[in-house]
Amino acid sequence: AQRVTQPEKLLSVFKGAPVELKCNYSYSGSPELFWYVQYSRQRLQLLLRHISRESIKGFTADLNKGETSFHLKKPFAQEEDSAMYYCALSGMGGFQKLVFGTGTRLLVSP
Amino acid sequence: GAGVSQSPSNKVTEKGKDVELRCDPISGHTALYWYRQRLGQGLEFLIYFQGNSAPDKSGLPSDRFSAERTGESVSTLTIQRTQQEDSAVYLCASSLTGGNQPQHFGDGTRLSIL
Repeated sequence: AQRVTQPEKLLSVFKGAPVELKCNYSYSGSPELFWYVQYSRQRLQLLLRHISRESIKGFTADLNKGETSFHLKKPFAQEEDSAMYYCALSGMGGFQKLVFGTGTRLLVSP
Repeated sequence: GAGVSQSPSNKVTEKGKDVELRCDPISGHTALYWYRQRLGQGLEFLIYFQGNSAPDKSGLPSDRFSAERTGESVSTLTIQRTQQEDSAVYLCASSLTGGNQPQHFGDGTRLSIL
């Protein structure tokens, strides 16, 4: 069964501090992992996906198959990063359900 | 259209009434999802439609909840005999083929049960 675990409901940091939002998953095959973000009063949107190996808004995430993790990191948090972040998992290929974690609220204080 | 469209944006109704929520996905998207987001909570999966395949209803919380989709177009989520715990934002998302394709979300319908 597919499962995504985000152990922290809330993560509070000061501006300029490093950020790591944790995500662990359970999946028997080869997974595809994603991070979605929901800023205040905006739609939920895709932030990044592991297959793209890209950095978006300074965020990166590396898939660690040994630890079954896909933690989201940013070296220097900004106030505008405050949002709800969701980790999500799917099997490889199309036509498969995307499963979301319960989300972590990131609060960056000045 | 430009994106996923949901209607109504807000719905207030009395306990016990039936409600119907609508989702217009992006044209050409075969996959459509419904989620529930209670205040201060994360996303709760409800149902998944993929093309003409049988929907994945594993997330529906009770038999008061049902959803339909005609082909690859509009979907409706119906909640019968609403209860106060049904109060939430109901989100719809569509993607090109499901799974590894990015999901595009609507603004949601905020449902309040009095």
